[in-house]
Amino acid sequence: ETGVTQSPTHLIKTRGQQVTLRCSSQSGHNTVSWYQQALGQGPQFIFQYYREEENGRGNFPPRFSGLQFPNYSSELNVNALELDDSALYLCASSSGPRTGLYEQYFGPGTRLTVT
Amino acid sequence: GIQVEQSPPDLILQEGANSTLRCNFSDSVNNLQWFHQNPWGQLINLFYIPSGTKQNGRLSATTVATERYSLLYISSSQTTDSGVYFCAVINYGGATNKLIFGTGTLLAVQP
Repeated sequence: ETGVTQSPTHLIKTRGQQVTLRCSSQSGHNTVSWYQQALGQGPQFIFQYYREEENGRGNFPPRFSGLQFPNYSSELNVNALELDDSALYLCASSSGPRTGLYEQYFGPGTRLTVT
Repeated sequence: GIQVEQSPPDLILQEGANSTLRCNFSDSVNNLQWFHQNPWGQLINLFYIPSGTKQNGRLSATTVATERYSLLYISSSQTTDSGVYFCAVINYGGATNKLIFGTGTLLAVQP
């Protein structure tokens, strides 16, 4: 069984640029969630995708957008990068319906630095 | 929204000591997970425990849903136990199906 994978591992971007982060869900999982973790804080929910549709969004501006593909992998896109976007971006996958009753498994994260 | 508080915020132990980490939440939950975040940022699943007690080796966890708290017990601690421990909950009655994380407990185990 393959776990959750993310790419790239590290990324350095300049303010104003755009970035795409990728996540492959664990085998058998159809739900992917994205979280942002700033230094010294707990992860904060960005949004979730269930069977290719957005299923809830946290308090993040529209320049954070996402996509889920038929194989349940997912992308997180961030436009017009700001310095405060520097963080660890975590992807989590889970199986089952939208009830939140299923365990979520996290990938290793992508560390984004905006200069 | 639901609030999740963890205590203590920091903990320093000598190798071999036991410890108890606490997670309090402000509303009923459908899901509660404990994670260990290693120095590279990887969140490692420890327990999925919306209620009851579970044990896995030196670690065990208890959630008392009616009293809105969960405890993580670490026995005979090892240096590899160092890192940040998070509890996270889902309250599906809320607006979105998301894990809400506590502030974490930073554990340092000294040899």
